[in-house]
Amino acid sequence: GQNIDQPTEMTATEGAIVQINCTYQTSGFNGLFWYQQHAGEAPTFLSYNVLDGLEEKGRFSSFLSRSKGYSYLLLKELQMKDSASYLCAVHSGGSYIPTFGRGTSLIVHP
Amino acid sequence: GAVVSQHPSRVICKSGTSVKIECRSLDFQATTMFWYRQFPKQSLMLMATSNEGSKATYEQGVEKDKFLINHASLTLSTLTVTSAHPEDSSFYICSASGEPAELFGPGTRLTVT
Repeated sequence: GQNIDQPTEMTATEGAIVQINCTYQTSGFNGLFWYQQHAGEAPTFLSYNVLDGLEEKGRFSSFLSRSKGYSYLLLKELQMKDSASYLCAVHSGGSYIPTFGRGTSLIVHP
Repeated sequence: GAVVSQHPSRVICKSGTSVKIECRSLDFQATTMFWYRQFPKQSLMLMATSNEGSKATYEQGVEKDKFLINHASLTLSTLTVTSAHPEDSSFYICSASGEPAELFGPGTRLTVT
């Protein structure tokens, strides 16, 4: 089976940096995605990692270690609008359909 | 750019009735679309994979006779919730394969009273 684990909830202060971790155990690995989802809305794509290392995209960065089954999403210069759920999703085996983690609800306060 | 739309965005129906949700790919063709369900504070759960011109592939535990999927064209997939019950109340989201990630529709909030 597949198991994706991420913290349920995190809080952070506006302007700060926050790191959201994701660990996974899957049969095979084809890539890891991070999505942002605001309440009542569909997920929007943030990043994609298939090789080890750090991918940077503006205020958001994502890191992957395949040997450790571990990824993190780093958000810098937090803004109030970053309050949302962040979903980690993994493509594994021969499937092109991602398996989603439960999501981490991030609350940014002033 | 490529966009996936859903209609309606919200629907309230009475128990026992059927509801149809449309998912359209705009400015691109989607031979495969996916239907997800999401309960409050839960993750996305894949219900089925919708294939244009053929039968949908349902995930384990999803009743194909209750959740009817029709993918009649390269730009439209529909999900019909038949004989809806209050426990079917949920957020239904469709998506289409994109590069590198799926493109999600805006979702449909279904409330069954």
